[in-house]
Amino acid sequence: EVQLLESGGGLVQRGGSLRLSCAASGFTFSGDAMSWVRQAPGKGLEWVSSISSSGGSTYYADSVKGRFIISRDNSDNTLYLQMNGLRAEDTAVYFCAKYPGAVALFNWFDHWGQGTLVTVSS
Amino acid sequence: QSVLTQPPSVSGAPGQRVTISCTGSGSNTGAGYNVHWYQQLPGRAPQLLIYGNSNRPSGVPDRFSGSKSGTSASLSITGLQAEDEADYYCQSYDSSLGGSVFGGGTKLIVL
Repeated sequence: EVQLLESGGGLVQRGGSLRLSCAASGFTFSGDAMSWVRQAPGKGLEWVSSISSSGGSTYYADSVKGRFIISRDNSDNTLYLQMNGLRAEDTAVYFCAKYPGAVALFNWFDHWGQGTLVTVSS
Repeated sequence: QSVLTQPPSVSGAPGQRVTISCTGSGSNTGAGYNVHWYQQLPGRAPQLLIYGNSNRPSGVPDRFSGSKSGTSASLSITGLQAEDEADYYCQSYDSSLGGSVFGGGTKLIVL
């Protein structure tokens, strides 16, 4: 059974940093592209960032480009999101999601984690 | 505003059929990129409902179906049940933005 377990969320001051982790199990992690999607309180889904299966290609939404860094450790089956320069508008539940194969962006998210809440205080 | 446009809410009585639309533009759905649909029950993570415009993952009832034509896609739910009450999101790829895009979400109310 595919499991994605996010951690690392919490309360942080504006301008601060936070690193999210997503521990994956139940599938061949190194074979699938991964992504982060967020949802602000009471709002819709927003794609944040994606990474190819090898980690060699990364993609970012304009809203986080230059501030967030996605990475992965295929030896440890873990996805990361380093978030710097946090703003109030980054407050959201952050979901880890996997693609059904090695290619990111064009495909769908076939499994999602339960999410971790990030709150940026001003 | 979201890149993909969905109605904020739709409603229907148990047993009825409802349709949720998702309208994009020439850089996403109109460019031929596929549309995918997710169901998000209250307080839960999204779950894949339809992929590649009209394909159902295993375990998704055939009451759920999807289609796409030109810049628009739609999700249809037949034989509406109380447990279908949830938020529904469409997703595609946008070549101008260089990333995935979501619709604003549609709240399905079962009367």
